[in-house]
Amino acid sequence: NAGVTQTPKFQVLKTGQSMTLQCAQDMNHEYMSWYRQDPGMGLRLIHYSVGAGITDQGEVPNGYNVSRSTTEDFPLRLLSAAPSQTSVYFCASSRDRGRSGGYTFGSGTRLTVV
Amino acid sequence: GNSVTQMEGPVTLSEEAFLTINCTYTATGYPSLFWYVQYPGEGLQLLLKATKADDKGSNKGFEATYRKETTSFHLEKGSVQVSDSAVYFCALTPDGGGSNYKLTFGKGTLLTVNP
Repeated sequence: NAGVTQTPKFQVLKTGQSMTLQCAQDMNHEYMSWYRQDPGMGLRLIHYSVGAGITDQGEVPNGYNVSRSTTEDFPLRLLSAAPSQTSVYFCASSRDRGRSGGYTFGSGTRLTVV
Repeated sequence: GNSVTQMEGPVTLSEEAFLTINCTYTATGYPSLFWYVQYPGEGLQLLLKATKADDKGSNKGFEATYRKETTSFHLEKGSVQVSDSAVYFCALTPDGGGSNYKLTFGKGTLLTVNP
């Protein structure tokens, strides 16, 4: 199994540009999440989804949109990139709210906004 | 709200030394507790877990015991190797139903093991 696949691995954007970070999982997991990782901040939840058609905001949702049209895919959209969005982004999925099996993470997208 | 506090690093050890990384949490009920590991340039991998009080999670020589009375889940390894060099994250998912499932992380501890 591929697990959780994120694309691209690296991206450089100019301030004001938009882009979509892709995330796909092949484990039929209901729960999917996006986190950003910044030095000294740990991982912070941006948005999450408990199933197709259902999304909600996490701790730091401003400047990001998500949708969940299928179980497999959970793209993250940056509407108008800002230097403060320079970060490493991780997508994660789980079968059971993460209670017993934990979460499976993608390998990350390193985004730089100049 | 829920929170996880883990010892700040960086931690530098010699090969074969004993490792402890402290982790305490704040949450109601009985959260599930996890240690994740992040090797350089990679995503997070689940290292071990415990889902109820007094459970011991173990994997690759690492162990952690879910202590409800002290709200702790300290990570230990008896003899570290250079290949254990990574960032370690303590995390929890809360007890309860509904959509209350979010994973809450500590800030991570960088471990460097020297030969």
